[in-house]
Amino acid sequence: GAGVSQSPSNKVTEKGKDVELRCDPISGHTALYWYRQSLGQGLEFLIYFQGNSAPDKSGLPSDRFSAERTGGSVSTLTIQRTQQEDSAVYLCASTPGGNEQFFGPGTRLTVL
Amino acid sequence: QKEVEQNSGPLSVPEGAIASLNCTYSDRGSQSFFWYRQYSGKSPELIMFIYSNGDKEDGRFTAQLNKASQYVSLLIRDSQPSDSATYLCAVEGINSGYALNFGKGTSLLVTP
Repeated sequence: GAGVSQSPSNKVTEKGKDVELRCDPISGHTALYWYRQSLGQGLEFLIYFQGNSAPDKSGLPSDRFSAERTGGSVSTLTIQRTQQEDSAVYLCASTPGGNEQFFGPGTRLTVL
Repeated sequence: QKEVEQNSGPLSVPEGAIASLNCTYSDRGSQSFFWYRQYSGKSPELIMFIYSNGDKEDGRFTAQLNKASQYVSLLIRDSQPSDSATYLCAVEGINSGYALNFGKGTSLLVTP
């Protein structure tokens, strides 16, 4: 079956621009997570969605970051007014409700 | 700040040897522990998870957990060059929908 998919795979943008990153979780997976992996750093939790419940935004680094999940499936992470420190690989993971999180291939974001 | 610590390496072992990867964590309330493998430029791939003290074996991999010492390890027997990757230790948090707290990873190099 299909795994978690993310798009785009690479995104280069100019400082100050807004970007949208998309995640398609595995069909039937109710929980969805966004993480960020900066160069030389571990994965950093950003936001969590469970079904149609309000998301847990406790990991978002600033109010320039937001995310939504439509219909309990596809999720979009939006970064407004991008900064160079936002450059990282953004990873999405989904789980059917257990502990095993399955990761997508990631979106590599470069802010010039 | 709940921390997960790993030696960054690189850990170099000869082909056929046992590779031992270690991880310590700070949150004594943590209950679930995961090992992910990440090849360069790829997303993390789940290898094993462990919940109970002791050993858990799966093929060439053995996870070991000692909650009293807040220590988890991964042993790879009969190491192969294809095992060369970064190994990420992850500890399930008790908030944020059980989002994972990751260590920065240990780089493993298996030499032919």
